[in-house]
Amino acid sequence: DTGVSQNPRHKITKRGQNVTFRCDPISEHNRLYWYRQTLGQGPEFLTYFQNEAQLEKSRLLSDRFSAERPKGSFSTLEIQRTEQGDSAMYLCASSGGSFYEQYFGPGTRLTVT
Amino acid sequence: GQQVMQIPQYQHVQEGEDFTTYCNSSTTLSNIQWYKQRPGGHPVFLIQLVKSGEVKKQKRLTFQFGEAKKNSSLHITATQTTDVGTYFCGTAGNQFYFGTGTSLTVIP
Repeated sequence: DTGVSQNPRHKITKRGQNVTFRCDPISEHNRLYWYRQTLGQGPEFLTYFQNEAQLEKSRLLSDRFSAERPKGSFSTLEIQRTEQGDSAMYLCASSGGSFYEQYFGPGTRLTVT
Repeated sequence: GQQVMQIPQYQHVQEGEDFTTYCNSSTTLSNIQWYKQRPGGHPVFLIQLVKSGEVKKQKRLTFQFGEAKKNSSLHITATQTTDVGTYFCGTAGNQFYFGTGTSLTVIP
């Protein structure tokens, strides 16, 4: 399967704990996006990488959130000191070339108890 | 930041009826993309429009970009149960902004 993969698919954590999610984009794609989606809402942009450079961060991304994309391949999204309001689906997408079509992964569903 | 509004929020149609969702912005958009998200699934890219007044068709789906590049529409002719899902418009700038989505239910 050469699509976008995300791990884990589900994560349940207690408030205050740190969590880390991983996204593996389509191998030839240089652009990678993270989104957060809650029930009944559209995906909210969190951050964007072009290769290993983090070019954009949403104001939604508080200092508890950090994302990396070492070597321009996979990416990680870490949430420190989780809060119940962080419960959501975290989606990763990638795109490449001159066409900005985004391919989404299946998402990681986070539940903070 | 970019604000992209979609109407309606929900739409129920009988199978075979047509369906339209509208995407509106207060500012000029450089491009518009449309995605479909099935219940429990992730967004899947449908199309991108970049030119003023552009119209593209995919089988029963017709996508239009307004002349002023501030609005867009997706029209489905003769809906089928496989069309069920939420349709999002989105636009890419420095960030990527998704609209609020229109949830389509098709009643067989």
